[in-house]
Amino acid sequence: AQSVTQLDSQVPVFEEAPVELRCNYSSSVPPYLFWYVQYPNQGLQLLLKYTSAATLVKGINGFEAEFKKSETSFHLTKPSAHMSDAAEYFCAVSDPMVGGFKTIFGAGTRLFVKA
Amino acid sequence: DTEVTQTPKHLVMGMTNKKSLKCEQHMGHRAMYWYKQKAKKPPELMFVYSYEKLSINESVPSRFSPECPNSSLLNLHLHALQPEDSALYLCASSQGRGGIGYGYTFGSGTRLTVV
Repeated sequence: AQSVTQLDSQVPVFEEAPVELRCNYSSSVPPYLFWYVQYPNQGLQLLLKYTSAATLVKGINGFEAEFKKSETSFHLTKPSAHMSDAAEYFCAVSDPMVGGFKTIFGAGTRLFVKA
Repeated sequence: DTEVTQTPKHLVMGMTNKKSLKCEQHMGHRAMYWYKQKAKKPPELMFVYSYEKLSINESVPSRFSPECPNSSLLNLHLHALQPEDSALYLCASSQGRGGIGYGYTFGSGTRLTVV
């Protein structure tokens, strides 16, 4: 079965500093990978997705992620953090199973942005 | 319309009550999902509906009963819940089976408290 591991439970950054949230995946087949963001008391919002078309994926709000097969990684980056980026971020992978596919989420990384 | 709408936003119910959570989307998505999210945890899959048929049930207790009346609506009927069932219940929809290659569109969730 596919899985993802988010290496940091919390990441603090200063405003305007670069952001990197780390995600490693385990998959026996070419994976479909996603990053979602969740603001307090909200649902999850899709930031970006990797579907094998390009290794560098650009998403919303200035985020991007690079798929590195040799490192089994899909880290999320942003050149300059804004206060509004403070949220919980989930890396996810589509996992085939009997009956269809389901999305498996990592444990999440809380991004703190300091002024 | 690119939204998934969940009602109610908040629900408090006793352990002997019967209540229902509702979810609606008008994006033409043919797969819909219920997820449960406890505080500071990732979402956990409960049910998957594909083309209005239940395709995945993640061994959820029978006190949770899903229903998909048509391609736009998804309900979750609740009966005889326990306090540990208190959580944020998220509905999502997707193109394709399991959101593979597309990702999910989530609603804002229903915050359920069982007393």
